[in-house]
Amino acid sequence: QKEVEQDPGPLSVPEGAIVSLNCTYSNSAFQYFMWYRQYSRKGPELLMYTYSSGNKEDGRFTAQVDKSSKYISLFIRDSQPSDSATYLCAMEGTSYDKVIFGPGTSLSVIP
Amino acid sequence: ETGVTQTPRHLVMGMTNKKSLKCEQHLGHNAMYWYKQSAKKPLELMFVYNFKEQTENNSVPSRFSPECPNSSHLFLHLHTLQPEDSALYLCASSPGLGEAKNIQYFGAGTRLSVL
Repeated sequence: QKEVEQDPGPLSVPEGAIVSLNCTYSNSAFQYFMWYRQYSRKGPELLMYTYSSGNKEDGRFTAQVDKSSKYISLFIRDSQPSDSATYLCAMEGTSYDKVIFGPGTSLSVIP
Repeated sequence: ETGVTQTPRHLVMGMTNKKSLKCEQHLGHNAMYWYKQSAKKPLELMFVYNFKEQTENNSVPSRFSPECPNSSHLFLHLHTLQPEDSALYLCASSPGLGEAKNIQYFGAGTRLSVL
């Protein structure tokens, strides 16, 4: 079993839709959970990070962590064509001391 | 601008060439990383430096040689590469201390083509 799994997509949605991107993981030691956005031919850009379980909101983006299910989500409200990118989840734990990245989900928002 | 600058942005080299990739971070971080990203594949961690000391070498072939002269600069020296080494090479940095010590900030990458 891979440590972090993420549906590669591609995911295609109409402009204005609510997007849900998800990752599952196997290691219960993970405590920090991150989401990165990567545009084509660019480096990943940190969007949000959360510690432990719960929700965190930043503008149109909401990150959600359910440690009991080992499942994290990123919700994008009112999606825009500029949100078209690959979204990478990442996670680490202080005892684990290494960041593990998911393979990324490719998202296209169609005008 | 992420605070992590990589040069060059694009590089084409022959298999017998020697070249170097450069990374500089202006975030005051203490840890720096090299990653390889190939098409349709996850990020592959190559090297990690904490406070200028190499703490991770992820079974990388010796034709890739890292150098970290200080906490702000990281180099990747390349020699006798193979065509399968063609990829996007990403540099990242993280605080290295404190609660969010491993949360990484990336540069824009160097797109490398080996002919």
